[in-house]
Amino acid sequence: DAKTTQPTSMDCAEGRAANLPCNHSTISGNEYVYWYRQIHSQGPQYIIHGLKNNETNEMASLIITEDRKSSTLILPHATLRDTAVYYCIVRAPLRAGNMLTFGGGTRLMVKP
Amino acid sequence: EAGVAQSPRYKIIEKRQSVAFWCNPISGHATLYWYQQILGQGPKLLIQFQNNGVVDDSQLPKDRFSAERLKGVDSTLKIQPAKLEDSAVYLCASSPGPQNTEAFFGQGTRLTVV
Repeated sequence: DAKTTQPTSMDCAEGRAANLPCNHSTISGNEYVYWYRQIHSQGPQYIIHGLKNNETNEMASLIITEDRKSSTLILPHATLRDTAVYYCIVRAPLRAGNMLTFGGGTRLMVKP
Repeated sequence: EAGVAQSPRYKIIEKRQSVAFWCNPISGHATLYWYQQILGQGPKLLIQFQNNGVVDDSQLPKDRFSAERLKGVDSTLKIQPAKLEDSAVYLCASSPGPQNTEAFFGQGTRLTVV
């Protein structure tokens, strides 16, 4: 699976949009971009995934650049409950094993 | 829908002792994962099961760690003997199948080895 690079930490004001970047310059054509988050003392939680088109669900939006070498997770109106570590992962779901390989993630702190 | 259940929630043991963790995945989920998460790091996959067969255990320290998933449902992860560096949160996750996009995680078992 392609390696990802994320900032170690970020701050965001409550009510504002949180934009979390991820670099995955070695991503292969069949690899998807996944985002999970982990709130303190809980297991990781799936947020969203995409291949090359932008995706949106009730939790967040995922913007993938045209060359697919980077992406941004957008939380449109961050709340205090969005404080968590956010993991960007690339993987090929049809590959045998289909493992989720986590990196260090970005620690997002939402402040009042 | 009930989530992934893990027990115990916390465990403290002395080094060289043995310990076992239990996981009950979401009903009907064929794929089960065990992860180890050391404080300040992302989760690291230890083993992946598809039903009761092992798909990948390349990062499982087999000299001291073992895992089984009898009947393709519940799973146990055992450490014998434990070392100080095994102190971590052990997370279990499940998904409907290996190609499924979303894995559901339990709350984990926090192990402290003293």
